[in-house]
Amino acid sequence: QQPVQSPQAVILREGEDAVINCSSSKALYSVHWYRQKHGEAPVFLMILLKGGEQKGHDKISASFNEKKQQSSLYLTASQLSYSGTYFCGTETKAAGNKLTFGGGTRVLVKP
Amino acid sequence: KAGVTQTPRYLIKTRGQQVTLSCSPISGHRSVSWYQQTPGQGLQFLFEYFSETQRNKGNFPGRFSGRQFSNSRSEMNVSTLELGDSALYLCASSLASGVTYEQYFGPGTRLTVT
Repeated sequence: QQPVQSPQAVILREGEDAVINCSSSKALYSVHWYRQKHGEAPVFLMILLKGGEQKGHDKISASFNEKKQQSSLYLTASQLSYSGTYFCGTETKAAGNKLTFGGGTRVLVKP
Repeated sequence: KAGVTQTPRYLIKTRGQQVTLSCSPISGHRSVSWYQQTPGQGLQFLFEYFSETQRNKGNFPGRFSGRQFSNSRSEMNVSTLELGDSALYLCASSLASGVTYEQYFGPGTRLTVT
């Protein structure tokens, strides 16, 4: 089953923070985060594994809450380059560990 | 180092035809995954190969198939094309080593079925 991402879109001013959530209805084994800019291929940001620690990629970090079956991506002190669509991909035992993607969150960072 | 390459970049086919897409991973990466991206269905996992073996397969009909060669290059094939197969097909290569994991996508092949 497809994970649910929220919000669907967010507009930020440069320097502001944002949180993107990815929720699963099944127990999570791993969560992958990607950013895709218009007309480009996705870029892998990070992977979080069950029982693993919070990860970071520049000023973008993520957490994994096993109990809530949720992962959150934190955009801190956002830069113009953070604009794009962020996708989470989840692996669950229920889905045979097949990577299933959320619908994406559009992020626009304005000067 | 060279990135993931996909060929062709663009393709136009007619319903009923078949198509083969190619992906060359980053040197040293033994895992290759394929994804389909459409405006309606979003990003969907097709299959993953590791050392010439299919490790996982998404929920796509049997018309979608793939393989990986001993040099880690991979191909995917779609037979009896349907209009709904029009999509951007992405290939990604990955490397897992200890606690490190890296994955890189190719530019994609834009397939249009008419």
